[in-house]
Amino acid sequence: ETGVTQSPTHLIKTRGQQVTLRCSSQSGHNTVSWYQQALGQGPQFIFQYYREEENGRGNFPPRFSGLQFPNYSSELNVNALELDDSALYLCASSFSGGAQETQYFGPGTRLLVL
Amino acid sequence: TQLLEQSPQFLSIQEGENLTVYCNSSSVFSSLQWYRQEPGEGPVLLVTVVTGGEVKKLKRLTFQFGDARKDSSLHITAAQPGDTGLYLCAGSRGTSYGKLTFGQGTILTVHP
Repeated sequence: ETGVTQSPTHLIKTRGQQVTLRCSSQSGHNTVSWYQQALGQGPQFIFQYYREEENGRGNFPPRFSGLQFPNYSSELNVNALELDDSALYLCASSFSGGAQETQYFGPGTRLLVL
Repeated sequence: TQLLEQSPQFLSIQEGENLTVYCNSSSVFSSLQWYRQEPGEGPVLLVTVVTGGEVKKLKRLTFQFGDARKDSSLHITAAQPGDTGLYLCAGSRGTSYGKLTFGQGTILTVHP
């Protein structure tokens, strides 16, 4: 059983550019959640995808968007990058439908916006 | 906005000492989770508490959920250098555990 994987591990972009981050969920999981973790802070919930539909969103602007694919992998897209978007982006997968969901986090993608 | 306040933010102790990390909120959570995160890695779940007043023990770690389900604590007995890391509390509401509100974290350093 493979765990949650994310790619790339590190990324450097400039202001105004667009970025796509990828997440492969753990085998058997149908839900993916994305979080942004700024340096020295706890993660902040961006949004969640369940069965290819957005299932809840945190306080992030529309330039943060996502997708979930039939194999439950997911993408996070950020348009018009700003300096404050520099952070560790974490993906977590879980199985929705059980008595209790346990989220398993990937190692994250560290994004630096210059 | 649900906020979880963790304290202290930084903790530097000697091996063998005991410590407690607190997680407080003005909101009620249906469950609260504690994670440990090491540099370059994602958070790893330590425990989930769901019942007010619940106490769970994991070896030298003791977790407590407040009676009103607004606060929680993590107590470590006889800390070891391997306990060093970022400790995060996270709460969720309703039946979904996937939309977590995290505290800002406590950076624990245990010196040999």
